[in-house]
Formats: sequence, C-alpha cells, structure tokens
Amino acid sequence: KAGVTQTPRYLIKTRGQQVTLSCSPISGHRSVSWYQQTPGQGLQFLFEYFSETQRNKGNFPGRFSGRQFSNSRSEMNVSTLELGDSALYLCASSALGEQYFGPGTRLTVT
Amino acid sequence: DQQVKQNSPSLSVQEGRISILNCDYTNSMFDYFLWYKKYPAEGPTFLISISSIKDKNEDGRFTVFLNKSAKHLSLHIVPSQPGDSAVYFCAARMEYGNKLVFGAGTILRVKS
Repeated sequence: KAGVTQTPRYLIKTRGQQVTLSCSPISGHRSVSWYQQTPGQGLQFLFEYFSETQRNKGNFPGRFSGRQFSNSRSEMNVSTLELGDSALYLCASSALGEQYFGPGTRLTVT
Repeated sequence: DQQVKQNSPSLSVQEGRISILNCDYTNSMFDYFLWYKKYPAEGPTFLISISSIKDKNEDGRFTVFLNKSAKHLSLHIVPSQPGDSAVYFCAARMEYGNKLVFGAGTILRVKS
C-alpha cells in the first residue's frame, strides 16, 4: 500500500506571497490532518479534514486554511506569508486511530 | 500550556540494553496515546499506540506502558539497536477527531 505523499517537498517563497501544499492520503483513509513543525514550537496541529469537512482546528491565524476533495486528497493554503511561517509542514492520514505521516514539505520564507 | 511533556531532551544507551523513554500528560480527556520516531527532514514514523483502557501494549521490541492515575506513559525498547537512534515523540489524542498533541521529543542515541 502506498504511503502518504506530499508535494512539493521543498519550497522557497517571499514574504507576502501565498502558497498551496498538497497531500494524498493512504488509499481508504478519509481523515487528513496537517501539522507544522518548527524548532521553537515543535509539532503543532493545524486542522483536520474528514469527508471534505473540517472537523478540528488548531490555534493558527486565518491565513492558514485547507480543504479536502472527494477523493480525500487535501490541500492547505497559507496566504500573506511571514518569515515565521518557515517550517516543515506535515500531513497525516488516518483510518482507525493511528495517524501515518507523509515526508513533509519544507517551506522557507525569505 | 504544555499538555504533553517529555522531560528528557536526550538519552544515551548502549546497544543491546533497554531504552526507556518517558512522557507525562495533564489532560485527563486524552484517550489514546501514540509514539513516533522521527529522523531529520522526514515525517514521523508510527511505532506503537495504547488506548486509555489498557495499561500495556507490546509490539516486537517495543512496549508501551500507561499509568492513568499518574498520567504517565513510557516506551521501552529492548534490545536497543544503533538504528533506533532518532527523535522519539509522544502524542496524545482526545476522544473526538484526530487532533494529536505532541511532546517536545527525546533524542535517543544508541551506542555500539
């Protein structure tokens, strides 16, 4: 079974721009969650989507948004990028409890 | 407010010996706990989990113990191998949904 895939793997953007990251979950998994990892804050939950609906949301500003498609693939968008948004963005898919993570997208904001 | 704490930033163990990684939590609403292993620039790899209705779960060399009254869990790795060297994260989940709250991680070094 193929694992969770994320594209792109690396991204460099400029302050003020926006970015869209993509995640394809494990086949059959309907829940997709997004996390941000930074050296200072560790792994922080952004949001979770289940059957195209946002089921849970972390404490991030409205610049961070996401969506899920009918095939369970998910995208997250960050608008008006700030330097502090530089991080590893991780997507995880889940079926019955355990969450399986993708390799992440390394976003650098300059 | 750190709801999940891993108080040891690092641990060094000799190959073949037992590694014990600890985790404490404060929120009694957590009902499921997971351990992940992570290498730099990669996503966390799921290792083992335990439901709050159990006190022990084993999978090969990995065993997780849960002490609900103390709000404490631990991961035992026996025997430790050099390939186990990585950062280990403890995570907790509440009953509804899949939001995971992670600890800060413990760096495990297994010396050969």
